[in-house]
Amino acid sequence: AQTVTQSQPEMSVQEAETVTLSCTYDTSESDYYLFWYKQPPSRQMILVIRQEAYKQQNATENRFSVNFQKAAKSFSLKISDSQLGDAAMYFCAYRSAGTGTASKLTFGTGTRLQVTL
Amino acid sequence: GAVVSQHPSWVICKSGTSVKIECRSLDFQATTMFWYRQFPKQSLMLMATSNEGSKATYEQGVEKDKFLINHASLTLSTLTVTSAHPEDSSFYICSARDVAGYNEQFFGPGTRLTVL
Repeated sequence: AQTVTQSQPEMSVQEAETVTLSCTYDTSESDYYLFWYKQPPSRQMILVIRQEAYKQQNATENRFSVNFQKAAKSFSLKISDSQLGDAAMYFCAYRSAGTGTASKLTFGTGTRLQVTL
Repeated sequence: GAVVSQHPSWVICKSGTSVKIECRSLDFQATTMFWYRQFPKQSLMLMATSNEGSKATYEQGVEKDKFLINHASLTLSTLTVTSAHPEDSSFYICSARDVAGYNEQFFGPGTRLTVL
C-alpha cells in the first residue's frame, strides 16, 4: 500500500517570503500522480498543483512550484511571495494512474501554514 | 471548473436517528465518487468508493451497515449514517471523479454532522 508522509505539522512564513513544504511517499508503482491540496478555514479542498510521475519537468502554477524527485520519492511544494490568503492546511496526496478504486487518493497528515505580517 | 455540491452543509440530529448527506456533481458526470471523514485538525480518511450502479467499496474498518452509500445516478451519491451516535460526529467530505482529462477528483464543501 502507498503511504504519504508530511513531517512538518506546522510551518510559518512572513508575507512576501518563500516557504517550502515537504512530502515523501512510498510506492512500488512507476506510474502515478502527486498532488498538493489546500484546505483553508472554510474546509473546502482546493487543488494547488498536480505532478505526473512520468514527467521529469517540475510542475508550476503561478507562485506555486514543486520539486519532484522520483528516485528519492520526494515531492515538496514551494510557495513564493507568500500572501495572507495562503494560510491554510496543506495536504500532499498520491494517486495511482489506474481507474476505478485505484483512483483513490492517499493523503498525508497535513502541514498547517501560518503567514505573518 | 467542475463543481461538486453537498447538502446539507451542517446537520444536528439526535442519537439513534439516521441522517442522509447528498453529494452532487453539478456540471459533469461522475462514475466514481468518494466519501471521506475528517476529524478536527486531522487528515481526510477515505471511507468508501462509490461507483454508479454498483455496490460501494468500503475501506477496512468502516461499517457498511452503518454508513450506507447509494450512487444511483451519474451525478448523485448519498451517504446515510444510520442510528447515529455522538462518536459519528465529524466532518464528511465527498469528491467526484471527472472521467475526462486527468481523472481529476473535485471536492464538495463538506458536511458537518453533530449527533447529540
